[in-house]
Amino acid sequence: GAVVSQHPSWVICKSGTSVKIECRSLDFQATTMFWYRQFPKQSLMLMATSNEGSKATYEQGVEKDKFLINHASLTLSTLTVTSAHPEDSSFYICSAMEIGTSGSYEQYFGPGTRLTVT
Amino acid sequence: SQKIEQNSEALNIQEGKTATLTCNYTNYSPAYLQWYRQDPGRGPVFLLLIRENEKEKRKERLKVTFDTTLKQSLFHITASQPADSATYLCALGDQGGKLIFGQGTELSVKP
Repeated sequence: GAVVSQHPSWVICKSGTSVKIECRSLDFQATTMFWYRQFPKQSLMLMATSNEGSKATYEQGVEKDKFLINHASLTLSTLTVTSAHPEDSSFYICSAMEIGTSGSYEQYFGPGTRLTVT
Repeated sequence: SQKIEQNSEALNIQEGKTATLTCNYTNYSPAYLQWYRQDPGRGPVFLLLIRENEKEKRKERLKVTFDTTLKQSLFHITASQPADSATYLCALGDQGGKLIFGQGTELSVKP
């Protein structure tokens, strides 16, 4: 099956610094990538939808200036958490949808990135 | 606003039995519904997708039903095994691929 990778798998940073998380589709091209956040014992919450070559669409309540998304190619999207604070500590997960198969909505999820802000 | 509810309690069953998980939703008309498995500290793994015009889907020991009138999906794992122990997530999707997830049901299969 299709594989999505994330890097890093975990990161610890100091409050006020920025952290970049990469999401790559390894063996397919993704029209669309999604970024989610998951707090302990809670469900995945969609943060933004990212289409290659265009600006990301953010969900209500998600600050676009704080969570910068760049979808530079059909296999790479990045999420940068700017001026991170302890409340940004969470599990960040990306997913990718494959181009091509008509009507196929299958999303492939990355393994997640655990961010801890101290 | 849209709301998705899954079995709020953890589900504990004996090996070999059938596990049945429920997903109910309100204020939404999804184009399709998906079920995912998530293990602790890992990303979700896709299991099954069922479209709005489909009633039932099967894949090996898994079966999903979808009732758009009741706004409910049932997810069955037959002949359950301890390795099936995980959190199972229900997600509703639109034409653009955007998913809304339920909070998940933790399944524990005892040997």
